Amino acid sequence: EDQVTQSPEALRLQEGESSSLNCSYTVSGLRGLFWYRQDPGKGPEFLFTLYSAGEEKEKERLKATLTKKESFLHITAPKPEDSATYLCAVRLGNNAGNMLTFGGGTRLMVKP
Amino acid sequence: SAVISQKPSRDICQRGTSLTIQCQVDSQVTMMFWYRQQPGQSLTLIATANQGSEATYESGFVIDKFPISRPNLTFSTLTVSNMSPEDSSIYLCSVEEMTITDTQYFGPGTRLTVL
Repeated sequence: EDQVTQSPEALRLQEGESSSLNCSYTVSGLRGLFWYRQDPGKGPEFLFTLYSAGEEKEKERLKATLTKKESFLHITAPKPEDSATYLCAVRLGNNAGNMLTFGGGTRLMVKP
Repeated sequence: SAVISQKPSRDICQRGTSLTIQCQVDSQVTMMFWYRQQPGQSLTLIATANQGSEATYESGFVIDKFPISRPNLTFSTLTVSNMSPEDSSIYLCSVEEMTITDTQYFGPGTRLTVL
């Protein structure tokens, strides 16, 4: 069964304390892995798309990496405004069409 | 990326009634989707809204409960019918643009509370 698991469920960091969020997947035929940020009461905001193992994408303090079994979202020197829930999702390469399967999310809290 | 709006942004409804949620995009898009996000949980795809034909529903979701329309390439509606408190969720519209493939962009969501 295709699964997407994110860890940890919640993460508290001090401002400036770098860390990583994990998204592991067991799917047959990955066609893309996506990272989103979701603030309370808002829709998910697109961050990155990764397609193949070894690929990396960066945006400000965030860097996403991909291996054959998992993806990491590295946060360097986070600020309080980085506090949000981070979601990863996968798109399958079989006949699943355009469906995204989401993980449960990691709720990040950055304290000043 | 496309600018997506949803109406209403939130509503409180009585059990047994129906609510129609609108999703408007500022440019033509190939694909439109409807997701549900139950309290404290992640997103679950309800259906793909197909322009000019019936929506394609995911397992566990049926047309009688969640009728969907998509009359053109920029607009779709989702109706939540005969509501119960278990339907209390955030309902999200997402789109894939014609020019940028593979990436879905989300609207701001509609927060529904059923009493």
